Amino acid sequence: KQEVTQIPAALSVPEGENLVLNCSFTDSAIYNLQWFRQDPGKGLTSLLLIQSSQREQTSGRLNASLDKSSGRSTLYIAASQPGDSATYLCAVAPRGSTLGRLYFGRGTQLTVWP
Amino acid sequence: NAGVTQTPKFQVLKTGQSMTLQCAQDMNHEYMSWYRQDPGMGLRLIHYSVGAGITDQGEVPNGYNVSRSTTEDFPLRLLSAAPSQTSVYFCASSYSGRAGEAFFGQGTRLTVV
Repeated sequence: KQEVTQIPAALSVPEGENLVLNCSFTDSAIYNLQWFRQDPGKGLTSLLLIQSSQREQTSGRLNASLDKSSGRSTLYIAASQPGDSATYLCAVAPRGSTLGRLYFGRGTQLTVWP
Repeated sequence: NAGVTQTPKFQVLKTGQSMTLQCAQDMNHEYMSWYRQDPGMGLRLIHYSVGAGITDQGEVPNGYNVSRSTTEDFPLRLLSAAPSQTSVYFCASSYSGRAGEAFFGQGTRLTVV
């Protein structure tokens, strides 16, 4: 069974810092990996989707990398802002599993203070 | 473009009551699914559908029913609510279950008393 782990569970940083969120998964046979943002009491907003054949994706101040062989992904947030405060979730779509099934990590709760 | 729409946003039920959580998407996605999110447990798959008329069970299907009569709608039915079903429920859809980007609704916060 695919297991997804996110480290750290919580992170508190001052505004302006560059930061890295980590995601690891146990089975490298995946279709894709997706990063989501979740604000308190809200749904999940897709940030970046990395297909298994890709190494990274970028959107604005966000950059996500994927190393399938080591079962790792990182989400890099440049020049963090208080508006980045949220919980960040990663999810993998494993091959050979229930079609479309996503396995989620438990998230990293990020607080960016002014 | 509404994306994935869930109703209601909040609901309180008494033990034993039944209800239906609604989910609709306007992106013509084949794949739809329901997850529940509980503190310390992450998101867990309840049921999913790969197209109209086709549904299957996920990780935690007991106490829930689904059907998919149209591409757009995928309702989740609680047959006889129990306190253990207190949770936040999310509906998701994607164009292709294997490789497509998943989009989530805003969630339904359900409390069973």
